[in-house]
Amino acid sequence: AAGVIQSPRHLIKEKRETATLKCYPIPRHDTVYWYQQGPGQDPQFLISFYEKMQSDKGSIPDRFSAQQFSDYHSELNMSSLELGDSALYFCASSLALGRANEQYFGPGTRLTVT
Amino acid sequence: AQTVTQSQPEMSVQEAETVTLSCTYDTSENNYYLFWYKQPPSRQMILVIRQEAYKQQNATENRFSVNFQKAAKSFSLKISDSQLGDTAMYFCALLTQGGSEKLVFGKGTKLTVNP
Repeated sequence: AAGVIQSPRHLIKEKRETATLKCYPIPRHDTVYWYQQGPGQDPQFLISFYEKMQSDKGSIPDRFSAQQFSDYHSELNMSSLELGDSALYFCASSLALGRANEQYFGPGTRLTVT
Repeated sequence: AQTVTQSQPEMSVQEAETVTLSCTYDTSENNYYLFWYKQPPSRQMILVIRQEAYKQQNATENRFSVNFQKAAKSFSLKISDSQLGDTAMYFCALLTQGGSEKLVFGKGTKLTVNP
């Protein structure tokens, strides 16, 4: 079965640079979530989209922005990167917001800021 | 606000034995769901088991079962016949229905299965 695809899998950036992370949800899934997992930490919710509209926003810095496109893929844009942004970024997708369906996680993008 | 607490940072068990991981949560919502996710060294997040709060029957998935005590807001995971491949970080997570349905995770329990 098709899974959530994230690209790139690994990314190394320098401080103050910009990064773009991409997420391709499972076909027919209309809801996308972004989570950030720092070293030794639990995943923290950043932002979510349903049918291309932002549905909720968590602890996402103003330097970050995201959107969901007409084909349901999503991109997380991160600017003015800081050392503390080094983390594993997960995208998860689910079907039909409001039905508490399972969220399926992608493999994650490991971002290292030097 | 929703919170999830896992009080056991690390646990170990011998292969083929049974181990129970603890989780407590807090929410004022009536409609919510609880999950256990497994994160092996590959760091992939894998759904292990799901429990609907409105169901009294405890969920089971093969060797994995839960003890859901709604009044006590407790949701423990029991792994039977532990296998080496069960070695992983286990996260308990809470999802409240309505709104964005984001997952709120506990801090995790690192489980090591010893041969």
